[in-house]
Amino acid sequence: EPEVTQTPSHQVTQMGQEVILRCVPISNHLYFYWYRQILGQKVEFLVSFYNNEISEKSEIFDDQFSVERPDGSNFTLKIRSTKLEDSAMYFCASSEVGARDEQFFGPGTRLTVL
Amino acid sequence: GDSVTQMEGPVTLSEEAFLTINCTYTATGYPSLFWYVQYPGEGLQLLLKATKADDKGSNKGFEATYRKETTSFHLEKGSVQVSDSAVYFCALSFLPGSSNTGKLIFGQGTTLQVKP
Repeated sequence: EPEVTQTPSHQVTQMGQEVILRCVPISNHLYFYWYRQILGQKVEFLVSFYNNEISEKSEIFDDQFSVERPDGSNFTLKIRSTKLEDSAMYFCASSEVGARDEQFFGPGTRLTVL
Repeated sequence: GDSVTQMEGPVTLSEEAFLTINCTYTATGYPSLFWYVQYPGEGLQLLLKATKADDKGSNKGFEATYRKETTSFHLEKGSVQVSDSAVYFCALSFLPGSSNTGKLIFGQGTTLQVKP
């Protein structure tokens, strides 16, 4: 069964450093998402991406964040200068264009900012 | 704004017990409602969904009914198993349209522990 994969599973970084979280969506999906979950809090929407551009973003997704589909398989989330409060579990998801309410999630990357 | 509220966890049950996890929502308009499950070390998986009032979603013995009058979507299972131990997330989304990306709005998750 096809699945969404994410790497790394755990990333530790120093405050102010740049990190790139990677995701490989399901191959025939064209809608991509990033969500995050700060420990003990809700899973929050960050951004959706379609046709090589952001289709929607939340207030959390400020200028420190960017997304990219650098090739035909990867979808990345970059945080330019990490802050302590960026520590969270980051989930990637993908969906078919005609079934955007059925999203398939990856296992998540735990980001720890020291 | 739109939001989802779930009962606090963890919920600890013995095998074969009846499960209810409460979920209520606040939304402008008519959302679709979902339950996602996250098993240890895995991503969130769609468990069931309902797209309109009085619809019942069901899967793997779990059920939830979209109650517009009480803005609720409670998850139930008649007889839980140890393998049901996981974190359960209630969520809402608006049906994709030309200006709607289908982003999910989640509750905080409820941890279920089932003991043999």
